[in-house]
Amino acid sequence: QITLKESGPTLVKPTQTLTLTCTFSGFSLSTSGVGVGWIRQPPGKALEWLALIYWDDDKRYSPSLKSRLTITKDTSKNQVVLTMTNMDPVDTATYYCARRSSSWSNFDYWGQGTLVTVSS
Amino acid sequence: QSVLTQPPSVSGAPGQRVTISCTGSSSNIGASYDVHWYQQLPGTAPKLLIYGNSNRPSGVPDRFSGSKSGTSASLAISGLQAEDEADYYCQSYDSSLGWVFGGGTKLTVL
Repeated sequence: QITLKESGPTLVKPTQTLTLTCTFSGFSLSTSGVGVGWIRQPPGKALEWLALIYWDDDKRYSPSLKSRLTITKDTSKNQVVLTMTNMDPVDTATYYCARRSSSWSNFDYWGQGTLVTVSS
Repeated sequence: QSVLTQPPSVSGAPGQRVTISCTGSSSNIGASYDVHWYQQLPGTAPKLLIYGNSNRPSGVPDRFSGSKSGTSASLAISGLQAEDEADYYCQSYDSSLGWVFGGGTKLTVL
């Protein structure tokens, strides 16, 4: 059974750095083709892909947010960490981590999401 | 503004068939990247509904079907049921932008 779960602060202040952790089970991030990505969804709005890390440590970022994002993995702990700098109220959203299928360019398993509010 | 364009809303009566379109461009759907569809029930995470343009994951009813042509794709839902009321998102890959999503379509079952 594949599961993913996001953890991190629910409230951050403007200009602060957000650190989110995705802890997963049921698959290995050392398996060829597998990746873990982060996607966010502002309240009432659409999904937006942020970043993805592959089994071989290849990292991809959304061009519009690349300067603010860092994604890393700890294969031994089955965790992927996303940091986002200089948080702004417009970054208020539910943040999801999801597994990138090894065979397709989709996200086949998702975490439950964590709502992050940016406010002073 | 999303890279992939979907109608904001569609509706249909129980038992009817509805379709949701997803229009992209030559750098994503038109570049032969696959289209995938997700269903998001209220207050829950998205769930993969269709992958690789027309394939259903195990457990997804065959009432759901997908197709792709040129720079567009479509999701069809036949035999509408009340439980199908949800938001639906298409997703593809863009050669410049990476993974891209549509703006989402809210399905209302009348």
